Amino acid sequence: NAGVTQTPKFRVLKTGQSMTLLCAQDMNHEYMYWYRQDPGMGLRLIHYSVGEGTTAKGEVPDGYNVSRLKKQNFLLGLESAAPSQTSVYFCASSLRDRGWDQPQHFGDGTRLSIL
Amino acid sequence: DQQVKQNSPSLSVQEGRISILNCDYTNSMFDYFLWYKKYPAEGPTFLISISSIKDKNEDGRFTVFLNKSAKHLSLHIVPSQPGDSAVYFCAARRAGGTSYGKLTFGQGTILTVHP
Repeated sequence: NAGVTQTPKFRVLKTGQSMTLLCAQDMNHEYMYWYRQDPGMGLRLIHYSVGEGTTAKGEVPDGYNVSRLKKQNFLLGLESAAPSQTSVYFCASSLRDRGWDQPQHFGDGTRLSIL
Repeated sequence: DQQVKQNSPSLSVQEGRISILNCDYTNSMFDYFLWYKKYPAEGPTFLISISSIKDKNEDGRFTVFLNKSAKHLSLHIVPSQPGDSAVYFCAARRAGGTSYGKLTFGQGTILTVHP
């Protein structure tokens, strides 16, 4: 059981380049999320999706775009990478909230460096 | 505006002793709280949670206490083991359909358990 899989694990980009981070989950979860983790900041929500074909902004959405064309996949795009986007990116998924505990399940992260 | 705060960046404990990790929050709309554990190069994994209708929840060596009036929660690990050494994140969310399970994380506390 793979759970949440993130691709790639590491990447180095030059300022201005673009790239897409892929997240795939095999748990049939409705909700998916993208976070970034920076030193001393915890995890901050970038964008999220509550179902196939839907996306919404989180706390720090600027400079990122997302798409969810299939229920199991959630893509995070950087159109023009900036050094401030150097971070560790985590994808997570969860079942739809039915009023009781539905913890998010995380992938192992993508470490992205922008030079 | 940091709505969830973990004011201790690190904690060092001897094996067999109790570890107490603290978390404060400011948003009174939060009514579900979670603790995640994170090892290096891995994603956060769910540890334990508590609903605001309770003041205590236990799971083996892990107990979470919630003091709603003080907007404070704590995670107790008894007895602490070297394998507990990790970063611990406190997270909070609002219940209900429109929250979509979104989590607000604290900055994390690095726990080191010495043999």
